[in-house]
Amino acid sequence: DADVTQTPRNRITKTGKRIMLECSQTKGHDRMYWYRQDPGLGLRLIYYSFDVKDINKGEISDGYSVSRQAQAKFSLSLESAIPNQTALYFCATSDPEQENTGELFFGEGSRLTVL
Amino acid sequence: GQNIDQPTEMTATEGAIVQINCTYQTSGFNGLFWYQQHAGEAPTFLSYNVLDGLEEKGRFSSFLSRSKGYSYLLLKELQMKDSASYLCAVKDSNYQLIWGAGTKLIIKP
Repeated sequence: DADVTQTPRNRITKTGKRIMLECSQTKGHDRMYWYRQDPGLGLRLIYYSFDVKDINKGEISDGYSVSRQAQAKFSLSLESAIPNQTALYFCATSDPEQENTGELFFGEGSRLTVL
Repeated sequence: GQNIDQPTEMTATEGAIVQINCTYQTSGFNGLFWYQQHAGEAPTFLSYNVLDGLEEKGRFSSFLSRSKGYSYLLLKELQMKDSASYLCAVKDSNYQLIWGAGTKLIIKP
């Protein structure tokens, strides 16, 4: 089983619908992240959380919201999806005790298509 | 602005050596990372450089020159399974990761 699990893996929805992408991890890491990946662009940070009570906006937070329900769970919501939110979304975790390397552990990705 | 540049695509032959370059302009520097990403899969960590020089790890090596804002990933004895995208990322002065768009490496028999 994957250490970082994302659901759903694939989702097709319509403009204006509310969508939630869920992420859960068994690595015991405090830090969790949501990224989106688009062809020809680097990974872009949407939101990140360093612990349950900590939520921070990333580079492209507009149109998204997040919830850190527990150390192991971090959800990303699109309140009213639009076509340019079509992308591959990744959840990731990191261990602050290994901050000197900053290695991220990624989930398998959630491919979202907004029609 | 902050910028990471790497070639979009490279082609190499099985058994050969390939070097993937990465140049960066960021506000501060706290380390450079290389990740491998197979098509449709998650990125996986390959290497980390924070000091100048070469870090070797099996068939893969990564080099850093902070004064030149330059790194390369060297892959030796290429195998077909090395066909993937290679992502360069720099941690800036705020400890945020800035990602390049990735280099798609195609290995031919």
